[in-house]
Amino acid sequence: DAGVIQSPRHEVTEMGQEVTLRCKPISGHNSLFWYRQTMMRGLELLIYFNNNVPIDDSGMPEDRFSAKMPNASFSTLKIQPSEPRDSAVYFCASSLRTSGRGTDTQYFGPGTRLTVL
Amino acid sequence: AQSVTQLGSHVSVSEGALVLLRCNYSSSVPPYLFWYVQYPNQGLQLLLKYTSAATLVKGINGFEAEFKKSETSFHLTKPSAHMSDAAEYFCAVSDRRSSASKIIFGSGTRLSIRP
Repeated sequence: DAGVIQSPRHEVTEMGQEVTLRCKPISGHNSLFWYRQTMMRGLELLIYFNNNVPIDDSGMPEDRFSAKMPNASFSTLKIQPSEPRDSAVYFCASSLRTSGRGTDTQYFGPGTRLTVL
Repeated sequence: AQSVTQLGSHVSVSEGALVLLRCNYSSSVPPYLFWYVQYPNQGLQLLLKYTSAATLVKGINGFEAEFKKSETSFHLTKPSAHMSDAAEYFCAVSDRRSSASKIIFGSGTRLSIRP
């Protein structure tokens, strides 16, 4: 199994530019999560999807952030325009929601390290 | 709202010594509890999880955790530390009543191993 795949692994961009992060979940998984990790704030849940539908986006910092999941095998997190304070490691995770209760194990990708200059 | 508190942002032990990482949870009903590990430059991976069966949960790499309702704790232990255990460890909680898949993570504890 390939695991959760994220691209790019590293991204360096200038303030004001658009950034798109990509995620391919584990095949067959039906839940997908986007997290942000920084030293100051730790690991934050930004948004998650069940069956390609956004369920909870309360963690999205502001309107500059948007996420889509057009199909079961692909999701994007977009930042437009980017700012230096967006610099962080962004993780995608997926799970197979079988129990309907919060026991599903989340499998994390390797992350994308974003630096906004 | 549910939450977890990890006591100690950094723990250092000698190789071969006992590892104890502390986690306390806050919940109106017994939650589901998890420990995840993050090695440098990698994503998180599940060590173990508690789902209301046995209160002593065994995980990978020799780790185990015990759910103690009276203390609202879910501490992670390993009898003998190995250099390869150096990593960041996250305690996490989810609501067993909820149909959502959301997990709330603690702030993490960095484990260092002294030779």
